[in-house]
Amino acid sequence: GENVEQHPSTLSVQEGDSAVIKCTYSDSASNYFPWYKQELGKGPQLIIDIRSNVGEKKDQRIAVTLNKTAKHFSLHITETQPEDSAVYFCAASILQAGTALIFGKGTTLSVSS
Amino acid sequence: ETGVTQTPRHLVMGMTNKKSLKCEQHLGHNAMYWYKQSAKKPLELMFVYSLEERVENNSVPSRFSPECPNSSHLFLHLHTLQPEDSALYLCASSQVGRGGGSYEQYFGPGTRLTVT
Repeated sequence: GENVEQHPSTLSVQEGDSAVIKCTYSDSASNYFPWYKQELGKGPQLIIDIRSNVGEKKDQRIAVTLNKTAKHFSLHITETQPEDSAVYFCAASILQAGTALIFGKGTTLSVSS
Repeated sequence: ETGVTQTPRHLVMGMTNKKSLKCEQHLGHNAMYWYKQSAKKPLELMFVYSLEERVENNSVPSRFSPECPNSSHLFLHLHTLQPEDSALYLCASSQVGRGGGSYEQYFGPGTRLTVT
């Protein structure tokens, strides 16, 4: 089955710096890679996702890149702000087959002002 | 708000109690999920209901019993739990396409369960 590894487990940056979180997956059939942000006391919220037919997707300060050959994908947050502080989870699944999302263990991002 | 609500938000129960967690989605989705979130571990999928039919049961102990009476409501019935079952229980919903493919999952805020 699919296995998703996520690094680092914790990340501390200064406000305005960039943050990068990386994930690797094991099943080459996986074709859907969402990223979730979980703030304290809340459930995970989808912030961006990418499908295997594209290599990069951007939404304002957030971008995700996918390398299918190497089986890894990354979340990039630019110009970080204190409100970006949260736990971020990556996940992988096979959309057409309706397989379950397999999540990484999460990265706790702390942005200090 | 994501359109997925969960009650109660916090629950403390003894090992001999019986309780139920409730989830309701207002998104018109046709699939619902229960996840368990423990400290230092990835989210663990417990159950999946698609079109009100249980399609996945991820080797969950029988002391957890799901119920999906319709596409908008999902319950998790709990009985004789163990302290290691203490965790955040998350509900999610999504739309499943004709070919079975599932789109984005939306999560509720979770129920923080403590078993004493």
